Amino acid sequence: GNSVTQMEGPVTLSEEAFLTINCTYTATGYPSLFWYVQYPGEGLQLLLKATKADDKGSNKGFEATYRKETTSFHLEKGSVQVSDSAVYFCALNLIQGAQKLVFGQGTRLTINP
Amino acid sequence: GAGVSQSPSNKVTEKGKDVELRCDPISGHTALYWYRQSLGQGLEFLIYFQGNSAPDKSGLPSDRFSAERTGGSVSTLTIQRTQQEDSAVYLCASSLRLGPNEQFFGPGTRLTVL
Repeated sequence: GNSVTQMEGPVTLSEEAFLTINCTYTATGYPSLFWYVQYPGEGLQLLLKATKADDKGSNKGFEATYRKETTSFHLEKGSVQVSDSAVYFCALNLIQGAQKLVFGQGTRLTINP
Repeated sequence: GAGVSQSPSNKVTEKGKDVELRCDPISGHTALYWYRQSLGQGLEFLIYFQGNSAPDKSGLPSDRFSAERTGGSVSTLTIQRTQQEDSAVYLCASSLRLGPNEQFFGPGTRLTVL
């Protein structure tokens, strides 16, 4: 089946620290990969995406590279800010077949000043 | 422009009652999706629509759940004879078309079954 496994949280860092949130996937087809973010009190919004192997998605200082050989899509940011505190979800969507996002369990990130 | 809207934002109901949740997608988006977010299960897919048809209903948890979409726009998710395990945040999303495209999410409806 299709599934996404994320690094367990919660994760607590100090401002300006380096962030990595691990994400690996299992897919029967050839997926597109996404990171969604849910800020406190807000809805889910797309942070970045990659649609083929070796693509790098980037937005707001966050990056993730689609690694087909390791079936991974780890999220990174070089210097986090308090405003990055949120829940982060890794997800996949198959190009063929079932048209749905399959989400990881989410990782709660807290950045302390 | 306007994003995806959902109503009501909060719904408290008694076990055994029926509830209807509404989603207004972004204008022009042909694909519409329902998900459920709960503490124990994370984010689960429920159903999607392409236009007014729902090719994949496999995610609906039981036959108490049904959904429809009319005019290629508004969608309603109906839960009959609600149970406490139905308590969750129900999220609606829309996208321009099917495929690996960005899905835009609404704020959700928080359903509490007493």
